[in-house]
Amino acid sequence: AQSVTQLDSHVSVSEGTPVLLRCNYSSSYSPSLFWYVQHPNKGLQLLLKYTSAATLVKGINGFEAEFKKSETSFHLTKPSAHMSDAAEYFCVVSDLDPTSGTYKYIFGTGTRLKVLA
Amino acid sequence: DGGITQSPKYLFRKEGQNVTLSCEQNLNHDAMYWYRQDPGQGLRLIYYSQIVNDFQKGDIAEGYSVSREKKESFPLTVTSAQKNPTAFYLCASSIGSYNEQFFGPGTRLTVL
Repeated sequence: AQSVTQLDSHVSVSEGTPVLLRCNYSSSYSPSLFWYVQHPNKGLQLLLKYTSAATLVKGINGFEAEFKKSETSFHLTKPSAHMSDAAEYFCVVSDLDPTSGTYKYIFGTGTRLKVLA
Repeated sequence: DGGITQSPKYLFRKEGQNVTLSCEQNLNHDAMYWYRQDPGQGLRLIYYSQIVNDFQKGDIAEGYSVSREKKESFPLTVTSAQKNPTAFYLCASSIGSYNEQFFGPGTRLTVL
């Protein structure tokens, strides 16, 4: 069965230091993977996506993620955190549901990023 | 300006009442989705629709109902049968189920 594990529920970094948000997945097929960001009481905004092209994916706001099939990981990184990066981040796997024949989103439980001044 | 709109932003309901949450998109997307978000649990799929006049139950459909009479609109009704409806509800759409989903701003429902 497909699943997504976000290894840290909370991450704190100082402004200007690197960000690492960890995500592992399990999938029976060839998944697409996404990272979304959510600010308080807002919808989710797509940061980046992996769809079986380049394994290093660049997204908006300086974020990037590397797909590592051997480690079943899709960690999100940013070289230098900004105060505006404080938000909740969701790792998502989109995988084929063999029962319905459609693709379904499976969400991780989220990582709340705190940026310290 | 293309996007997804949800209304209202905040909704209060008394126990025993049905309420309907609106979701409209002008992205010309075929697929639309409703999710429920609770703290620490990520998002869970309530219903989805891949095409007009067709929809399927998601993982937590009990106590909810939907309709898809127009491509642009996918309203969600929270019925009195939903035992714990207080949550943040998010609507999303995509070109097809394989493509990335775009999310609306959400509706926060509180049962008094």
